[in-house]
Amino acid sequence: QQPVQSPQAVILREGEDAVINCSSSKALYSVHWYRQKHGEAPVFLMILLKGGEQKGHEKISASFNEKKQQSSLYLTASQLSYSGTYFCGTEMYSGGGADGLTFGKGTHLIIQP
Amino acid sequence: DTAVSQTPKYLVTQMGNDKSIKCEQNLGHDTMYWYKQDSKKFLKIMFSYNNKELIINETVPNRFSPKSPDKAHLNLHINSLELGDSAVYFCASSRGQGIRAFFGQGTRLTVV
Repeated sequence: QQPVQSPQAVILREGEDAVINCSSSKALYSVHWYRQKHGEAPVFLMILLKGGEQKGHEKISASFNEKKQQSSLYLTASQLSYSGTYFCGTEMYSGGGADGLTFGKGTHLIIQP
Repeated sequence: DTAVSQTPKYLVTQMGNDKSIKCEQNLGHDTMYWYKQDSKKFLKIMFSYNNKELIINETVPNRFSPKSPDKAHLNLHINSLELGDSAVYFCASSRGQGIRAFFGQGTRLTVV
């Protein structure tokens, strides 16, 4: 089941904040966040495993609400380098095997000077 | 050293041809994957291999077949290529569920 990401696109000025949401209709084992720039491979940002877990990476952080089956990515004081497409990838509970990530459709983030 | 490497980076071929994309990882991971990213940038899992056993096979055409000669390699073979197969194919690997996946640089396949 593909997670739903919102918004589809965001345009910000440098220094502004953004929130990207990812929600699933099924119980999640983990949520992975990636950023992809045009013509490049997805770059790993962070992974969230536990309900309520929040992790940070420089000015980018994320939360995972296991009960609501959703995760949010927070970008604060955005920089030009933050531009790109952000994907959430989800894993559901399995028998221990790794089935791969099911990705949302992505959120296009454009940072203007 | 590149953690996950794919070859070739670009592949242009005619309809009906058979082609292969190679993937190697030097991370000692147990699980490798193939993803397809279409023109709308939608990333979709195609295959997952764990210790040379296929553990998931999404609804991809049987013209696509993953082949793993050993734990460090997972190659993708595509028979009778069609225009709709044009996409970027990413190989990835991980230690298992709940652990970050490392992506290769991608192979842009163009079928003409």
